[in-house]
Amino acid sequence: DTEVTQTPKHLVMGMTNKKSLKCEQHMGHRAMYWYKQKAKKPPELMFVYSYEKLSINESVPSRFSPECPNSSLLNLHLHALQPEDSALYLCASTIALSGNTIYFGEGSWLTVV
Amino acid sequence: ILNVEQSPQSLHVQEGDSTNFTCSFPSSNFYALHWYRWETAKSPEALFVMTLNGDEKKKGRISATLNTKEGYSYLYIKGSQPEDSATYLCAMPAANSGYALNFGKGTSLLVTP
Repeated sequence: DTEVTQTPKHLVMGMTNKKSLKCEQHMGHRAMYWYKQKAKKPPELMFVYSYEKLSINESVPSRFSPECPNSSLLNLHLHALQPEDSALYLCASTIALSGNTIYFGEGSWLTVV
Repeated sequence: ILNVEQSPQSLHVQEGDSTNFTCSFPSSNFYALHWYRWETAKSPEALFVMTLNGDEKKKGRISATLNTKEGYSYLYIKGSQPEDSATYLCAMPAANSGYALNFGKGTSLLVTP
């Protein structure tokens, strides 16, 4: 099983809403990532978690709040987003922070209205 | 941020044609190069992780080569099929970002019958 599962697949939210994106993997991976991808651009790193601890925050605005409740789950809490935050949000995982193959989910399409 | 460049940006070939595209990257402090295939509405699929200069890897009709001294990798598809239509991304892990991947902009391949 090399699957990373993301929910929901699509999300529409208002600028005052609070919502969450969820990511799950059962491969025993201890490093997990959030990426953001805008149309016609490559995915851009947002956050890195290693052993459930936040390792890297790529200067992401505080309206995005990641959480890693356990080694299998990674959440991205969203609050007071802007229309320009509309994008595809990809979750990924790998065995550990070592340059091994990184496995991606299908992503969550977010539209902020 | 690692500067990873891909060319061409897009490619349109006929079924049965063989094709190739290029990924260029900084040759200093090389660690690894990843290739992914990304079909619409699916998760990016890991094709290869390449680490050694002169390395050549193969997966079915797809193969890749690596030249770390001059900073490039080629991806070849032999006898393209319509199901090969996808965006092909190369990426390099950045040690200072938890080995998260820095992606090129991708090559969009369309194979028509």
